[in-house]
Amino acid sequence: GAGVSQSPRYKVAKRGQDVALRCDPISGHVSLFWYQQALGQGPEFLTYFQNEAQLDKSGLPSDRFFAERPEGSVSTLKIQRTQQEDSAVYLCASSRDFSGSTDTQYFGPGTRLTVL
Amino acid sequence: KNQVEQSPQSLIILEGKNCTLQCNYTVSPFSNLRWYKQDTGRGPVSLTIMTFSENTKSNGRYTATLDADTKQSSLHITASQLSDSASYICVVSEATGGSYIPTFGRGTSLIVHP
Repeated sequence: GAGVSQSPRYKVAKRGQDVALRCDPISGHVSLFWYQQALGQGPEFLTYFQNEAQLDKSGLPSDRFFAERPEGSVSTLKIQRTQQEDSAVYLCASSRDFSGSTDTQYFGPGTRLTVL
Repeated sequence: KNQVEQSPQSLIILEGKNCTLQCNYTVSPFSNLRWYKQDTGRGPVSLTIMTFSENTKSNGRYTATLDADTKQSSLHITASQLSDSASYICVVSEATGGSYIPTFGRGTSLIVHP
């Protein structure tokens, strides 16, 4: 595709609801990343995939957060029993090759999650 | 804990002027340092990427410098344009073989006035 796309762009959830955020990376990109960006802050790393393998999930804030990329392309970030502190923009990025290199990461526009 | 500190927090300049943004980090072991531009409501866009051995990298009117000894980087913007108004984020990655853990700064908000 032309770029990284994310859906939905905006999501409002009631506290306690489960949400699923989708990321479509650039076709053929090996690495995929999820970040959380609170208002007025820089993004914070959540998790990273190389193809379908989740190589690092050290940034996931709790066991309510779960990410998958079953076929090595589209990824879904799921948040169970949402809390108000989960309100943030969730950014997805992809890169062509192994993340440890200096490969450029291409970011999607993000999903703004608001938990009421 | 790895940290990336950026200064100033915000900056207002007139169109056509130059400016320099600063980034100090404590990330170790160091892998690479990236500068991103983030427009409001959009995802970050990569400007420059530098490894340990590089001390300067240019991308059009953007020039980044890196001093790995003092763990400092700067982003210099020449002849600013209105479209340069955005948040500029410094990101430093650890070299942890096989794993990728970037640390983001909070960004410098730049406003360019006509």
